[in-house]
Amino acid sequence: QVQLVQSGAEVKKPGASVKVSCKASGYTFTSYDINWVRQATGQGLEWMGWMNPNSGNTGYAQKFQGRVTMTRNTSISTAYMELSSLRSEDTAVYYCARDGSGLGTWGQGTLVTVSS
Amino acid sequence: SYELTQPPSVSVSPGQTARITCSGDALPKKYAYWYQQKSGQAPVLVIYEDSKRPSGIPERFSGSSSGTMATLTISGAQVEDEADYYCYSTDSSGNHRKVFGGGTKLTVL
Repeated sequence: QVQLVQSGAEVKKPGASVKVSCKASGYTFTSYDINWVRQATGQGLEWMGWMNPNSGNTGYAQKFQGRVTMTRNTSISTAYMELSSLRSEDTAVYYCARDGSGLGTWGQGTLVTVSS
Repeated sequence: SYELTQPPSVSVSPGQTARITCSGDALPKKYAYWYQQKSGQAPVLVIYEDSKRPSGIPERFSGSSSGTMATLTISGAQVEDEADYYCYSTDSSGNHRKVFGGGTKLTVL
């Protein structure tokens, strides 16, 4: 079955970077865009950006422009989201999601905690 | 930046019809999508392209869009439908940037 499995929880200090992975299985990885969405505790969903795994093309929300990088390794069907210059407000659960007429498949989420 | 506006909360009794609205200037030209999120879980797509229902989603969930407003309707809401609901769409700038609405807490009791 179609599945996205994300890397485990991370604790980072302010100013550091974090890289979250999202491994796809059950479908052709290069056929569907991967989107990244985050959610702070008790808050709503926030769209961060998308990546086309075939071309590597990306599009980022204006809020994260310059701080986020989305990449992939097609040989292992894995997408990555790296967020730099972390601050406490970046503490959230980060999700990857496959886009095929809507975000129909989601990863389990990765908690990133930013704390000194 | 582009925004989608939802009511913070909607409350209905079991068996009643719940309607959750989402307004946005680009909705006449862009599809709306709806996600259900229960506490501690990842979101689930319940409506795509304004009114289509993914397989496995109960028929009581339906969607519509007219002008600058999209609506999620749950006909005969059940206790298990209590969740947060988010609309989602694309802005019309040509940058393919997506946005979520602020979310609506649906209470069924």
